[in-house]
Amino acid sequence: DQQVKQNSPSLSVQEGRISILNCDYTNSMFDYFLWYKKYPAEGPTFLISISSIKDKNEDGRFTVFLNKSAKHLSLHIVPSQPGDSAVYFCGGSNYKLTFGKGTLLTVNP
Amino acid sequence: DVKVTQSSRYLVKRTGEKVFLECVQDMDHENMFWYRQDPGLGLRLIYFSYDVKMKEKGDIPEGYSVSREKKERFSLILESASTNQTSMYLCASSFVTENQPQHFGDGTRLSIL
Repeated sequence: DQQVKQNSPSLSVQEGRISILNCDYTNSMFDYFLWYKKYPAEGPTFLISISSIKDKNEDGRFTVFLNKSAKHLSLHIVPSQPGDSAVYFCGGSNYKLTFGKGTLLTVNP
Repeated sequence: DVKVTQSSRYLVKRTGEKVFLECVQDMDHENMFWYRQDPGLGLRLIYFSYDVKMKEKGDIPEGYSVSREKKERFSLILESASTNQTSMYLCASSFVTENQPQHFGDGTRLSIL
């Protein structure tokens, strides 16, 4: 049973435009959600998080939106930069963290 | 900055060998985790530990064991390595306080021949 789903394996956007990465979850017990970025041959790097009591959290170019009724969260990157090209994992947490399979974002110059 | 160090970046072992992967963190984190990452499968939790000598199974513990004798060190053990354990292994740590992000090491690329 896949509790966290990232349905788009890949996404390609132009530099300067908005990147929107999506994530759906099934576990109603998740109370905290996170996004990680991963470059090849490196470990995942924590990007941004959101508590289940909030619907939006913003950090610079990165904003995470949470829609609890739809069990959906999204990561917006504005403006996208070539250095943002990486695999992005979303995760949901109660006492342990469950990750989606990841979305490969490519930002073209 | 949090530093999670995995002892090897690349490791090649043979089928049937006992394999040890070591992880050390320097932030006095209570929680430590072992994941494996495989193409198309994302990050899957193998085992985690919330205190010294404490451990809990994750989603895919079969074929693995762990050891946490000191707070800063968490070891993953492949009792008898098999080719389907060829993977990228990632260690992470975090504070036990609620809603704390996990910090990852750079991973160990393990090949079992």
